[in-house]
Amino acid sequence: SQQGEEDPQALSIQEGENATMNCSYKTSINNLQWYRQNSGRGLVHLILIRSNEREKHSGRLRVTLDTSKKSSSLLITASRAADTASYFCATVPFSGGYQKVTFGTGTKLQVIP
Amino acid sequence: NAGVTQTPKFQVLKTGQSMTLQCAQDMNHNSMYWYRQDPGMGLRLIYYSASEGTTDKGEVPNGYNVSRLNKREFSLRLESAAPSQTSVYFCASSTSQGGKDYGYTFGSGTRLTVV
Repeated sequence: SQQGEEDPQALSIQEGENATMNCSYKTSINNLQWYRQNSGRGLVHLILIRSNEREKHSGRLRVTLDTSKKSSSLLITASRAADTASYFCATVPFSGGYQKVTFGTGTKLQVIP
Repeated sequence: NAGVTQTPKFQVLKTGQSMTLQCAQDMNHNSMYWYRQDPGMGLRLIYYSASEGTTDKGEVPNGYNVSRLNKREFSLRLESAAPSQTSVYFCASSTSQGGKDYGYTFGSGTRLTVV
């Protein structure tokens, strides 16, 4: 079963608006990572947040982590057409090894110019 | 450019044919992975290699074999392709276990169709 589940599955916004997508997970994690995938390309690592962190920023990206609710959110501020992509969360467990790192099914973001 | 290079980018196979997907990284990463991506399924781990000389099964290893040729190269082999193996395959690498320090670096993928 999937550990990380993104919500919503799809999101369409106007350029300049903010985009928020969420990730929920089931078991204790060491860290949670967000990735972007442009159509027909590989995943690109955006940001990693550790279990003892609550918020992290990188440029126009803001990630929060609530371990009590087992959830994370990715906020993209002042979106641009180039942000159109699918966004995935990956959860890295405290134990279990490589095979337990799981990726969600993604949120497909469309930014309309 | 530094990163993960996969070949080929596209491939069409007939059922029963074999092929090897190649992957190489030039970032001196210890760990390498093969994932497949199917619509609505997310990425699923096929095999991984924690370090040079070691390989282990992931979530969906059946029908595949791997070779960690050296620290740079990690290949995935389909011995007898089946239509269920139609997918997009991604190779990834990381400095540490499960990418827990800096995440994964992915290749651009191989789109495989088995007819």
